[in-house]
Amino acid sequence: DAGITQSPRHKVTETGTPVTLRCHQTENHRYMYWYRQDPGHGLRLIHYSYGVKDTDKGEVSDGYSVSRSKTEDFLLTLESATSSQTSVYFCAISPKGPNEKLFFGSGTQLSVL
Amino acid sequence: GESVGLHLPTLSVQEGDNSIINCAYSNSASDYFIWYKQESGKGPQFIIDIRSNMDKRQGQRVTVLLNKTVKHLSLQIAATQPGDSAVYFCAELLQGAQKLVFGQGTRLTINP
Repeated sequence: DAGITQSPRHKVTETGTPVTLRCHQTENHRYMYWYRQDPGHGLRLIHYSYGVKDTDKGEVSDGYSVSRSKTEDFLLTLESATSSQTSVYFCAISPKGPNEKLFFGSGTQLSVL
Repeated sequence: GESVGLHLPTLSVQEGDNSIINCAYSNSASDYFIWYKQESGKGPQFIIDIRSNMDKRQGQRVTVLLNKTVKHLSLQIAATQPGDSAVYFCAELLQGAQKLVFGQGTRLTINP
C-alpha cells in the first residue's frame, strides 16, 4: 500500500454537510494526489500537491478544496456535499516525480444522501 | 486528448494461458504510460510503466508493448493465474501535462 492510509474507509453523509477525507503517508513523499473513481469515467484528478502548502486544481475540482500543512497529510474537503460527489475517492503518491509511477491508497467510499 | 481507452471491456482466459489486454491512445505527444491492476474493493495497484523511447518492457510475468505508430499499448500476462482476476487499466501522460489520463479498464476473468 506504499505507506498510504486513507480515512475514513466508508462514510455516509447528507447533502449540504461538510466532509473531510484524510490521506496520510509515511514515506515523506513530495507529490500527492486526490482522485475520484466513478463507473464510466475512470479515475479523474481532483487536486494535487507538490509539497507543503503547494496545491493545485485538477480536472474535477469544483466543490472540493484541499490542504497540505504537513508533508505526510493531504486533506480533501467537500465544503457542502452533493449527491454528485458520491464516489470512491483515492489518494495517491508518486515517489519518483510528478505523475510518475503513482501508488494508490485503499480508497474511501463516500455516499451523499 | 481524453481518449485513453480499451478495446474490450471484458476478457476471459483459461488458467495457465497468456492474457493480452489492449489499450488505445489518441495523443501522439503522450510519452509515458502506466498499467494498473484493480481488485474489487481495493485501490489501483501499479504493475508496470513504459516511456515512449521504449517499445517493450518486461516485469515479473508481465510485458508491456508500445506501438507508437498505431498508438497502441498492450499488457501481456504470462501463465494467467486466478489471482490475476481484476480490472486492468492503462494511463497516459501527455508530454508537459500535469495529469495522467486513465482508461476505464478491462475486466479479466480466469476460467479454471
